[in-house]
Amino acid sequence: DVLMTQTPVSLPVSLGGQVSISCRSSQSLVHSDGNTYLHWYLQKPGQSPQLLIYRVSNRFSGVPDRFSGSGSGTDFTLKISRVEPEDLGVYYCLQSTHFPWTFGGGTKLELK
Amino acid sequence: EVQLVESGGGLVQPGRSLKLSCAASGFTFSNYYMAWVRQAPKKGLEWVATISTSGSRTYYPDSVKGRFTISRDNAKSSLYLQMNSLKSEDTATYYCARQINYGGPGWFAYWGQGTLVTVSS
Repeated sequence: DVLMTQTPVSLPVSLGGQVSISCRSSQSLVHSDGNTYLHWYLQKPGQSPQLLIYRVSNRFSGVPDRFSGSGSGTDFTLKISRVEPEDLGVYYCLQSTHFPWTFGGGTKLELK
Repeated sequence: EVQLVESGGGLVQPGRSLKLSCAASGFTFSNYYMAWVRQAPKKGLEWVATISTSGSRTYYPDSVKGRFTISRDNAKSSLYLQMNSLKSEDTATYYCARQINYGGPGWFAYWGQGTLVTVSS
């Protein structure tokens, strides 16, 4: 199975600040069709996960442009600029290039 | 508006069975792959099963293969998860999810609120 490693596990932030979350995979996430199936989710406290970014860098409908994704191969990053209170929660990366699909362990974004 | 409402969770003894349901609305159910994803208490997310639009193809990780069966009824816009031979490690909140597939592998675009399954004697 593809191991997805997220760092850091916990990320203190000040409102209005900028943060980056790393997600590394144990093997390349480039699919045979040429696309890379790496996605980002946010799970706010007490809620279901919600899709933020799909296929590395595409923002899902309604996601503010403060969120951006980048990376390639095995190394990916989610950046959040001008952090707002509604951005707090746990962020997960997901790879769907290889079966079984696997999630990262999560990064908790919390206030300093 | 996409809505996914899970039901059927509860307390069940180890070795017994349980069937979860997910009622979908706000979109053409038969056009989308669907999935189940679970989250053990205070833990991360784990993909459990995916089913194709017609139901002819299903996918599972090894952790549930042979014990869980995903199915769908497109006429009722409903998704199901039959869970047999339940173990304590199956204790989790189970989320129904609608996938997006652009020809290749998909991802989870919309999630329900989840239903809690507790496996304990």
